[in-house]
Amino acid sequence: VQLVESGGGLVKPGGSLRLSCAASGFTFSTYSMHWVRQAPGMGLEWVSSISAGSSYIFYADSLKGRFTISRDNAKNSLYLQMDSLRAEDTALYYCARELSTAHYAMDVWGQGTTVTVSS
Amino acid sequence: QSVLTQPPSASGTPGQRVTISCSGSNSNIGNNYVYWYQQLPGTAPKLLIYRDNQRPSGVPDRFSGSKSGTSASLAISGLRSEDEADYYCAAWDDTLSRPGGLFGGGTKLTVL
Repeated sequence: VQLVESGGGLVKPGGSLRLSCAASGFTFSTYSMHWVRQAPGMGLEWVSSISAGSSYIFYADSLKGRFTISRDNAKNSLYLQMDSLRAEDTALYYCARELSTAHYAMDVWGQGTTVTVSS
Repeated sequence: QSVLTQPPSASGTPGQRVTISCSGSNSNIGNNYVYWYQQLPGTAPKLLIYRDNQRPSGVPDRFSGSKSGTSASLAISGLRSEDEADYYCAAWDDTLSRPGGLFGGGTKLTVL
């Protein structure tokens, strides 16, 4: 069971990035998934979640509509499209699997991908 | 400032029992399950407790969770040096305008 994030990097304020999370070792299409971020030296912040069939999508209020979560079950992949990036979006971004028997319990995490927003 | 409030730090000596509190409100802890995560330095978080007091397989029974009203606690008994880590509580929030996930600010546990 593994999650591997990619797509992070250095981007200028106002720019965009698309993060990806490749899942393996489990039936991706049956699990809800989350993105969680952690700014340098700070705590965890929940970003977004998407249900197994993409019917239910939620976002943190702080994002103000700038991020879009999506998934491709045929490719076992989760995505996070980040637009209008700001310095405060600088963080390590984790994707995580939701435990099938407990909403919002994240039992498998990736190693994270780093996003740096700076001019 | 997090909506789920944790003490920023806690400490104990090996063998001791320590507790970490997490305070919320009716829209989160009071109406939903609480989860606890352990984050060792430089690593991804690990699920310690789910559904208020359940342990995933592989988590030692030294770790236990409880909840009362709008507050929850994580207890660690028989403290060990490898327990030194950051601990986060989490809960879903049912705020009508925008439901979503919450994490507490985290508690840094030091084993003296």
